[in-house]
Amino acid sequence: QAVVTQETSLTVSPGGTVILTCASSTGAVTSGHYPYWFQQKPGQAPRTLIYDMRNKHSWTPARFSGSLLGGRAALTLSGAQPEDEADYYCLLSYTGARPVFGGGTRLTVL
Amino acid sequence: EVQLVESGGGLVRPGGSLRLSCEASGFAFKTYWMYWVRQGPGKGLVYVSRINTDGNITHYADFVKGRFTISRDNAKSTLYLQLTSLSAEDTAVYYCIRDEPGTFDYWGQGTLVTVSS
Repeated sequence: QAVVTQETSLTVSPGGTVILTCASSTGAVTSGHYPYWFQQKPGQAPRTLIYDMRNKHSWTPARFSGSLLGGRAALTLSGAQPEDEADYYCLLSYTGARPVFGGGTRLTVL
Repeated sequence: EVQLVESGGGLVRPGGSLRLSCEASGFAFKTYWMYWVRQGPGKGLVYVSRINTDGNITHYADFVKGRFTISRDNAKSTLYLQLTSLSAEDTAVYYCIRDEPGTFDYWGQGTLVTVSS
């Protein structure tokens, strides 16, 4: 089974920009992996921010965007807010195989 | 308003069984694929299983190894996950998720399963 890797932790200053990435052990991440990004705050269920690489739900703040960057899926947060402090998980779909979550990135806004 | 409410979690002994339920409301349940995902204490998210709209196509993570069974009752708008042969490694919060195709749009609040003697 593929392994999906994310940064363990990142820190961003309020108002700053940070990029979270999601890599696949099988090679470059492509649009065919339909990357997802989820946000989870302490004590809460996850919520989906990004699906199919760059699409947003109605509740996704405009400061979040999804893309591909250097063979990885990327979640860019531009203009970080204190309420963005959370764990972020990516999910990649693999043809004929099980979808795989990354281990998660703990984002600190400080 | 879309709502997914999981239930059925609790404390169970190793080797025991449990049936989780996810009651859906606020949408046409029978038209959506549904998923189960779990999260161990202090750990990340892990895909468990998915089921199609009719309930005749199911899919499981490798670690399930025939121990879990996903099913649904569209008349009751309810998703199920039957857990058997449980071990401590199965201790987790289990979430059900609605999948507007390819969007994973709504998550339930989860139900905690604790496997301990």
